[in-house]
Amino acid sequence: KQEVTQIPAALSVPEGENLVLNCSFTDSAIYNLQWFRQDPGKGLTSLLLIQSSQREQTSGRLNASLDKSSGRSTLYIAASQPGDSATYLCAVESWGKLQFGAGTQVVVTP
Amino acid sequence: DTAVSQTPKYLVTQMGNDKSIKCEQNLGHDTMYWYKQDSKKFLKIMFSYNNKELIINETVPNRFSPKSPDKAHLNLHINSLELGDSAVYFCASSQDRSSYNEQFFGPGTRLTVL
Repeated sequence: KQEVTQIPAALSVPEGENLVLNCSFTDSAIYNLQWFRQDPGKGLTSLLLIQSSQREQTSGRLNASLDKSSGRSTLYIAASQPGDSATYLCAVESWGKLQFGAGTQVVVTP
Repeated sequence: DTAVSQTPKYLVTQMGNDKSIKCEQNLGHDTMYWYKQDSKKFLKIMFSYNNKELIINETVPNRFSPKSPDKAHLNLHINSLELGDSAVYFCASSQDRSSYNEQFFGPGTRLTVL
């Protein structure tokens, strides 16, 4: 059974600092890994999708790495801004199903 | 234009009632999903439909019945609501069943059962 863990559960940083969010999964037989952002009372916004054959994906200030063999992914957000405050969820796809972690709640203070 | 929309956004009802949540996507996607996010914020898949055909049913009580009248719509009907059904329900869609496609989520429906 696939289990997805995100550490830390919550993170508070001053504006301008880089953010590092971690995701680990127990079964390396995944097809892809997706990072989402969830704002309070809102739906999920897809940030990055990494295929199982890829090692990383980049979009603007966001960079996500994937090490399938060790069951880990890291999301880096450079030069954080108050608008980056949200909950970040990672999800791995196995056999057509997305399995989610519990998320990391991020607060970026001005 | 909203890509994946759900109605209603909030739903408050009494135990034992029957209610429906509607979902529509205008992305031309073939595959749609229902997820449940409980009070601990864990998101879990409930159902997946591909081109109106059920492909995933994650041991959800049969009080929950999804219906897909066409590939742009996936509605969720819940009979005999229970307190434990209180959660946020998210609809999502993807291009097709391929694992190369990202999933796009709706804004969620917050269901409260009293």
